[in-house]
Amino acid sequence: TQLLEQSPQFLSIQEGENLTVYCNSSSVFSSLQWYRQEPGEGPVLLVTVVTGGEVKKLKRLTFQFGDARKDSSLHITAAQPGDTGLYLCAGGFLRGTSYGKLTFGQGTILTVHP
Amino acid sequence: GAGVSQSPRYKVAKRGQDVALRCDPISGHVSLFWYQQALGQGPEFLTYFQNEAQLDKSGLPSDRFFAERPEGSVSTLKIQRTQQEDSAVYLCASSPRGGATLEKLFFGSGTQLSVL
Repeated sequence: TQLLEQSPQFLSIQEGENLTVYCNSSSVFSSLQWYRQEPGEGPVLLVTVVTGGEVKKLKRLTFQFGDARKDSSLHITAAQPGDTGLYLCAGGFLRGTSYGKLTFGQGTILTVHP
Repeated sequence: GAGVSQSPRYKVAKRGQDVALRCDPISGHVSLFWYQQALGQGPEFLTYFQNEAQLDKSGLPSDRFFAERPEGSVSTLKIQRTQQEDSAVYLCASSPRGGATLEKLFFGSGTQLSVL
């Protein structure tokens, strides 16, 4: 059973379009992180959100943490070919058996065509 | 180097062979993590060290998998009697303090293991 469900799994769009990636769970997380990974490289952290309802912006990327801290979204405005990659959400806990480690979703493969 | 270094970059093993994968974390980083990643999928947690102590090994798939970090810096992931299902990219990550929940994880580029 996947603790974190990402949707969609694949996204193929044209340059200039907007898109949203979703990350959902039945668990309440202490934190939610978003990473971007390019082929042959390790994931690179984009943002960490910790407060329910929190919104963070990183240039054309907007990240939101759900009020109940069970879900998150990543919105990209005016996508560019350089945004192409695998986008991963990862949840963390501050207590319990999952303390200390991050649990990743299965990822969203984004392709932006020029 | 400034980042997390993993070696070898690629490893081809015959089924039944033992392999050892090395991770050099960022100097001074307390926590070290190993993840396994299938093509196009998210990383799956294997094990976690804080300094030399292995705090969580719940993700290791079988007793053929063993990890160590004897001096609290370099770590080795060993897989005995490799099977085809072990084929994956093995990622190492480190963070400055304990745990990863509120910390930034710095990932290496991974070791791609292919078992024939």
